[in-house]
Amino acid sequence: GAGVSQSPSNKVTEKGKDVELRCDPISGHTALYWYRQSLGQGLEFLIYFQGNSAPDKSGLPSDRFSAERTGGSVSTLTIQRTQQEDSAVYLCASSRDSMNTEAFFGQGTRLTVV
Amino acid sequence: AQTVTQSQPEMSVQEAETVTLSCTYDTSESDYYLFWYKQPPSRQMILVIRQEAYKQQNATENRFSVNFQKAAKSFSLKISDSQLGDAAMYFCAYRSTIIQGAQKLVFGQGTRLTINP
Repeated sequence: GAGVSQSPSNKVTEKGKDVELRCDPISGHTALYWYRQSLGQGLEFLIYFQGNSAPDKSGLPSDRFSAERTGGSVSTLTIQRTQQEDSAVYLCASSRDSMNTEAFFGQGTRLTVV
Repeated sequence: AQTVTQSQPEMSVQEAETVTLSCTYDTSESDYYLFWYKQPPSRQMILVIRQEAYKQQNATENRFSVNFQKAAKSFSLKISDSQLGDAAMYFCAYRSTIIQGAQKLVFGQGTRLTINP
């Protein structure tokens, strides 16, 4: 596609429910990143995928968070048993490969846990 | 671990004037990349300018330029002839050049820039 696409744009969920956030990277980009941006804060790294290599999960804040990338393209970030502190904007980015320094970002999913 | 600090939560400037946003970082690496990203209300992060640490020459992109002081670990962004469309959150970011497990961007807390007409 023309750019990184994320869905949904906004999501309101009840505490304790599971949510799935989707990221569709730019076609041909092998590197994909998820970041979390809490209100008024900078971006916090969550997870990184590069081709068929094992993902770098070092930024996932708890075992309630998981992500997968099917077929080296679309990625899904899943948050189980959501908590109010999970409320944030979740941003996805992709780059042509791991050595390419320019990352292109989507418009994010604003998650609100009530 | 690398850290990035932006000490100015908010800045404002008159339209057509020049403004400088500050950024400092901490790293033990000698080669790395530094970036400034702009985030308008649409939430999409847009790359403004990039600097490779091994390059002594400061990067420039039209009205945007940086002052990269490697020894001081300082990386400020200068916006000349400010325009209303420059109003946004600006984030400074660091990226390692080490291949293994360091592809992520490390971001500062951001500076909200307001342009006064």
